[in-house]
Amino acid sequence: NAGVMQNPRHLVRRRGQEARLRCSPMKGHSHVYWYRQLPEEGLKFMVYLQKENIIDESGMPKERFSAEFPKEGPSILRIQQVVRGDSAAYFCASSPPIAAGGNIQYFGAGTRLSVL
Amino acid sequence: KNEVEQSPQNLTAQEGEFITINCSYSVGISALHWLQQHPGGGIVSLFMLSSGKKKHGRLIATINIQEKHSSLHITASHPRDSAVYICAVRLVGGGADGLTFGKGTHLIIQP
Repeated sequence: NAGVMQNPRHLVRRRGQEARLRCSPMKGHSHVYWYRQLPEEGLKFMVYLQKENIIDESGMPKERFSAEFPKEGPSILRIQQVVRGDSAAYFCASSPPIAAGGNIQYFGAGTRLSVL
Repeated sequence: KNEVEQSPQNLTAQEGEFITINCSYSVGISALHWLQQHPGGGIVSLFMLSSGKKKHGRLIATINIQEKHSSLHITASHPRDSAVYICAVRLVGGGADGLTFGKGTHLIIQP
């Protein structure tokens, strides 16, 4: 049973380009979370998705960032017109359907985005 | 003030020492997680707790709901335990459905 797969592991973009980060959850997991870790800072929640639904995007920047989790295929975190401040490690985590107290989230290895 | 506070921020110890990392939180939670982040950056979930105590190998995690406090202990520490240990909570009743994280404890175990 493969773990959470994120690709690419490293992504370099110039200012103004688009960045697409992909996350394939563990088999049987229908819940995906995206987190961002800025240099020298802790992890911050961005968005929580189930298949074809955004459940909570309270941590997403209001502009340029979007996320989707289609019926088929991986979850995508999309950053349009990247700026240097977007340089960070982006982690995806997945979990099975939520139990009353929550479930362990399994993390991917992350995508390290560098904006030149 | 952060909702999740960890201490110490940095910890250096000798191989074999008993390690304790503390986590305090100021909000209602449904679960608390301990995570490990290695120098390469990958994150591993160690424990999820909502009450009591859990043990896995040399790692022990405890939580006191009334005191809003959790501890992660490492027995017979080893240099391969060197990593950042992160406490994270799932909030109850509103707020993001994702986790809220502490800033992490940087642990170095010297041989």
